[in-house]
Amino acid sequence: AQTVTQSQPEMSVQEAETVTLSCTYDTSENNYYLFWYKQPPSRQMILVIRQEAYKQQNATENRFSVNFQKAAKSFSLKISDSQLGDTAMYFCAFMSDKLSFGAGTTVTVRA
Amino acid sequence: EAGVAQSPRYKIIEKRQSVAFWCNPISGHATLYWYQQILGQGPKLLIQFQNNGVVDDSQLPKDRFSAERLKGVDSTLKIQPAKLEDSAVYLCASSRRHGVGTTYEQYFGPGTRLTVT
Repeated sequence: AQTVTQSQPEMSVQEAETVTLSCTYDTSENNYYLFWYKQPPSRQMILVIRQEAYKQQNATENRFSVNFQKAAKSFSLKISDSQLGDTAMYFCAFMSDKLSFGAGTTVTVRA
Repeated sequence: EAGVAQSPRYKIIEKRQSVAFWCNPISGHATLYWYQQILGQGPKLLIQFQNNGVVDDSQLPKDRFSAERLKGVDSTLKIQPAKLEDSAVYLCASSRRHGVGTTYEQYFGPGTRLTVT
């Protein structure tokens, strides 16, 4: 079974600053997908960014980017120019045959 | 397009009672998932349907949980009898298709918060 580890339970960042969330995973597979999901207090889980393991180039979506290190099994998320609306729980997730989530990191953006 | 719909949004029951949750996926999505999210944890997959067939129910507590997806569209998740540890948010998600070597984004519903007292 795959395990996903998010070692930071909580992170706080000043508005307009940058924050990086860490994620590591354990797998013996070579082909898989990695995701970061955002879950605001409303509970709606929203996909932020995805990365295919066979792609070496790191994915980027506007202010969100990842640092994918396949050999180290690391998949961190960087949020640039943080906005108040970024306040949410962020989950790292691994997918091969099914989606496995980490425990989440609560991100609070301060005005 | 309309998103994944779930009802009810909140439910409070006493232990040993039964409860049912309903999910309507995005139109045309063949794959439907039910997740259990305990407070402070990430979602855990309970069951996955492809059309009206079960693909994975390895983590579904089958002595008390059941789920069905008649006609390959709507789905119902039932708990009977409920235990205190079943208190959680139950999330439904759907995707266009799921298969080896491919993956499609899962779209999540707003969830149902269950409290068992």
